[in-house]
Amino acid sequence: NAGVMQNPRHLVRRRGQEARLRCSPMKGHSHVYWYRQLPEEGLKFMVYLQKENIIDESGMPKERFSAEFPKEGPSILRIQQVVRGDSAAYFCASSPRRSEKLFFGSGTQLSVL
Amino acid sequence: KNEVEQSPQNLTAQEGEFITINCSYSVGISALHWLQQHPGGGIVSLFMLSSGKKKHGRLIATINIQEKHSSLHITASHPRDSAVYICAVSVFGNEKLTFGTGTRLTIIP
Repeated sequence: NAGVMQNPRHLVRRRGQEARLRCSPMKGHSHVYWYRQLPEEGLKFMVYLQKENIIDESGMPKERFSAEFPKEGPSILRIQQVVRGDSAAYFCASSPRRSEKLFFGSGTQLSVL
Repeated sequence: KNEVEQSPQNLTAQEGEFITINCSYSVGISALHWLQQHPGGGIVSLFMLSSGKKKHGRLIATINIQEKHSSLHITASHPRDSAVYICAVSVFGNEKLTFGTGTRLTIIP
């Protein structure tokens, strides 16, 4: 039973490019959460999705960031026109139902040059 | 003031010592989570609790809802316990987690 899979593990982008981060939740999990950890800072909530629906995106920057969790396939966090300040570790977590224990992926380290 | 405060920020102890990490929060919560972040960056959920006490191996987590306080204890600590321990809370009716800044634990052989 594979855990939460995130890819890529490391992603390097130049300023202005797009970054796509993927998260495949554990089998049977329909709730996905994205978090960001800036250098030397704590984790911050970004967005909560349930299959095909965005439930809470209050932690997402208003511009350039979007997230989806389609009926088929992984959840995608998309960052358009990346800037140096987007460099961070992005973690995905999943749970089988609302308000249950979370299982985390290994994270994607995004570096913007 | 952060909604979730952890203490201490850093803790160094000798192998075998009993470890306590504290977490205080300022809002009404539906659940509190203890997470472990390894030096490589991966995050593991240790406990999710809303009342009382939970135990898993050498780890024990307690919560006092009235005092808005939780503790994570590690008995017979081992160098492999060295990691950052993070407390996080979810507020009633809101699934998103608010995180503490973490406690960096180092266990010396």
